[in-house]
Amino acid sequence: AQSVTQPDIHITVSEGASLELRCNYSYGATPYLFWYVQSPGQGLQLLLKYFSGDTLVQGIKGFEAEFKRSQSSFNLRKPSVHWSDAAEYFCAVDDDNNAGNMLTFGGGTRLMV
Amino acid sequence: TAGITQAPTSQILAAGRSMTLRCTQDMRHNAMYWYRQDLGLGLRLIHYSNTAGTTGKGEVPDGYSVSRANTDDFPLTLASAVPSQTSVYFCASSDSKNSRTEAFFGQGTRLTVV
Repeated sequence: AQSVTQPDIHITVSEGASLELRCNYSYGATPYLFWYVQSPGQGLQLLLKYFSGDTLVQGIKGFEAEFKRSQSSFNLRKPSVHWSDAAEYFCAVDDDNNAGNMLTFGGGTRLMV
Repeated sequence: TAGITQAPTSQILAAGRSMTLRCTQDMRHNAMYWYRQDLGLGLRLIHYSNTAGTTGKGEVPDGYSVSRANTDDFPLTLASAVPSQTSVYFCASSDSKNSRTEAFFGQGTRLTVV
């Protein structure tokens, strides 16, 4: 079974500083990877996704993520953090069930700015 | 745009009571899901439905049941609530028939079982 690990439970950065949130996955086949953001009291919003092709993917709100197969990682980055980026971030992998998009989530990283 | 609507937003429920969490989507997505969110555990899949009339068990299905009578609605029922079911519940949907796509999430239902 696939699994997703987000090693950092909490991260605090200063406004304007760069950000990297780590995500490691365990999955036998080609993974379909996602980053979602959850603002307090809100649902989950998709930041970006990787299905295939270019391993550096751009998302909304100035975020990007890089898929590194050799490291089984899909880290999320932003060059300059804004106070409004404070939220919880979830990395997820699709289990490649052709009949649906069932996701396995990491435990989340709470970002404080 | 409505997307996915969940009701109620929050609920306090006595242990042993039953409750149905409602979920409706207006995107005509074929697949729908229920997840629960617990601190440090992220979201875990409870049940899913790949098309109207079919359902399946996810990672943590015990104590929950679902039905999918039509494309738009996917209610989650707790037959006899227990305190360990205190959580935030998210409904999601996706259009998975033709290609890889992302799931869209509702705003969540915060359930407290006392």
